[in-house]
Amino acid sequence: SQKIEQNSEALNIQEGKTATLTCNYTNYSPAYLQWYRQDPGRGPVFLLLIRENEKEKRKERLKVTFDTTLKQSLFHITASQPADSATYLCALSYSGGGADGLTFGKGTHLIIQP
Amino acid sequence: GAGVSQSPSNKVTEKGKDVELRCDPISGHTALYWYRQSLGQGLEFLIYFQGNSAPDKSGLPSDRFSAERTGGSVSTLTIQRTQQEDSAVYLCASSLSGASNYGYTFGSGTRLTVV
Repeated sequence: SQKIEQNSEALNIQEGKTATLTCNYTNYSPAYLQWYRQDPGRGPVFLLLIRENEKEKRKERLKVTFDTTLKQSLFHITASQPADSATYLCALSYSGGGADGLTFGKGTHLIIQP
Repeated sequence: GAGVSQSPSNKVTEKGKDVELRCDPISGHTALYWYRQSLGQGLEFLIYFQGNSAPDKSGLPSDRFSAERTGGSVSTLTIQRTQQEDSAVYLCASSLSGASNYGYTFGSGTRLTVV
């Protein structure tokens, strides 16, 4: 069955450094891979989407890479700030359509220490 | 509306009672999704609507769960004869279309506690 793996341990990063989160998946590569941020008591918030024919995508301090050979996506936050502390979720759709919804990883809890 | 609205935000119910959860998606979003998130767990996909139609209901955990969407807008998730294992946060999301090249906009969820 399809599986998404994210580091379940909290990631502690010093303010100002680059935080790098990993998302690994099994089986065939999805058409699109998405990253979300979730704060306690709130629903996930969409951050970035990357297509399988794209190697890298950037948005302000965020950067996502997609390596279909390694079956891995990396999510980077540069010049990290305490406000970046949250749980970050990787999500993908194998069908490319909505019928099976996005499959989400369990997320990695990121803590940016001042 | 400006965002996805869910109500109630919190619901405590007695085991065996029925509950109805409501989702008001962003105007113009044709796709609507229900997910469930249990403590410390990932998001569990329940059902997807394209317009008023749900092509596949196999993600619903049991036949006590049902969902409908009317007018291509508001959706309700109904849980009959609630059980303690139904306790979770139920999240609704909408997107411009069902294609996965659009991000989802989530509501803040309904926290359901069955006692």
